[in-house]
Amino acid sequence: GAGVSQSPSNKVTEKGKDVELRCDPISGHTALYWYRQSLGQGLEFLIYFQGNSAPDKSGLPSDRFSAERTGGSVSTLTIQRTQQEDSAVYLCASSPFAGTVYYEQYFGPGTRLTVT
Amino acid sequence: GESVGLHLPTLSVQEGDNSIINCAYSNSASDYFIWYKQESGKGPQFIIDIRSNMDKRQGQRVTVLLNKTVKHLSLQIAATQPGDSAVYFCAERESWGNKLVFGAGTILRVKS
Repeated sequence: GAGVSQSPSNKVTEKGKDVELRCDPISGHTALYWYRQSLGQGLEFLIYFQGNSAPDKSGLPSDRFSAERTGGSVSTLTIQRTQQEDSAVYLCASSPFAGTVYYEQYFGPGTRLTVT
Repeated sequence: GESVGLHLPTLSVQEGDNSIINCAYSNSASDYFIWYKQESGKGPQFIIDIRSNMDKRQGQRVTVLLNKTVKHLSLQIAATQPGDSAVYFCAERESWGNKLVFGAGTILRVKS
């Protein structure tokens, strides 16, 4: 079946501009996560959504970052007034459920963001 | 091994040999540990996981060992193949909700 998809695959933007990154999770997955991966680094948790619950935003690095999930499916990560340090690969993952039982997270291919 | 800045530790092995990739985790309260494989240009792919109440789990050609005393996790790959070349990450689940904390990663290079 279809996996997690992300768009665009690559995005080059000028410093100070806003960008929107899109994630389409696996159909039926109620949990959705955003991570950031800087060059040569591990993944850094940003935000996660579970059903209709309030999202866990504890990983967002600044108030320039925000995310929403419409209709419990597609999610958009928005970065306002981009800075060069925002350059990274932004990865989205989804899982069937998030709770006391662990469910495997399925990752998309990522969006590579370059801020010039 | 530990990573320093942008320099990921690299493990080079000969095809057919066994590989052992190590990871130190941070939170003694973590209840799940997972190994992911990431190939160039792709998202991480699940390999194997282990609960904190276990010390060993085996999969196909892979074994994960957990030592809670020293907060150490290892991934053993038997008969390493060229297709195993990738970056390997360990991750720990620290709290309810599946939020994962990832290690810095180890590059595995398989020589034919």
